[in-house]
Amino acid sequence: SAVISQKPSRDICQRGTSLTIQCQVDSQVTMMFWYRQQPGQSLTLIATANQGSEATYESGFVIDKFPISRPNLTFSTLTVSNMSPEDSSIYLCSVVTAQGLTDTQYFGPGTRLTVL
Amino acid sequence: AQSVTQPDIHITVSEGASLELRCNYSYGATPYLFWYVQSPGQGLQLLLKYFSGDTLVQGIKGFEAEFKRSQSSFNLRKPSVHWSDAAEYFCAVGAGFNKFYFGSGTKLNVKP
Repeated sequence: SAVISQKPSRDICQRGTSLTIQCQVDSQVTMMFWYRQQPGQSLTLIATANQGSEATYESGFVIDKFPISRPNLTFSTLTVSNMSPEDSSIYLCSVVTAQGLTDTQYFGPGTRLTVL
Repeated sequence: AQSVTQPDIHITVSEGASLELRCNYSYGATPYLFWYVQSPGQGLQLLLKYFSGDTLVQGIKGFEAEFKRSQSSFNLRKPSVHWSDAAEYFCAVGAGFNKFYFGSGTKLNVKP
């Protein structure tokens, strides 16, 4: 398994500002992801954080709005830029660990963002 | 297209009663199947997973799930629910190294 920490755990931000969320894993992992969970909804994949290269974004998400960095195999950041109230969500970092021939996904505790 | 359906949005059971949460999936090959639990204000915790072999898998906290290929289902069960099981439960399908599809979740309420 993997132990994942996220900072901050929650924040309240003003419209038009940006927030950077950090994700730290206790071991080297190949795959890291960022998800969004809007109030009362399931998880939506934002992007795959690629080490040493640009992130791979899912449909509906763009780099200008959600820039992602991944400088090494244990750390990634997600920035929510130019925030609006619609960005109020829980943002979750996750990693995939390969166990033999199978993959298991583990999640961080999430960052609860409220935009006023 | 791959998808996961959890037909029950809310379920309420009495403490001590049995529980079954439904999950149906659509996927073209043998999937990897997962159940996660999210307690209020918490992240997602892996309950159990199925990759191959025995179709009845045991997880943490007394949960089990059964993979039924003919029904494309992976239902979660617990023989006796505890008040601390009140949470939201997500079924997920892993369709490769970086493709995971989540259901919409089932919120479980436990009556004393």
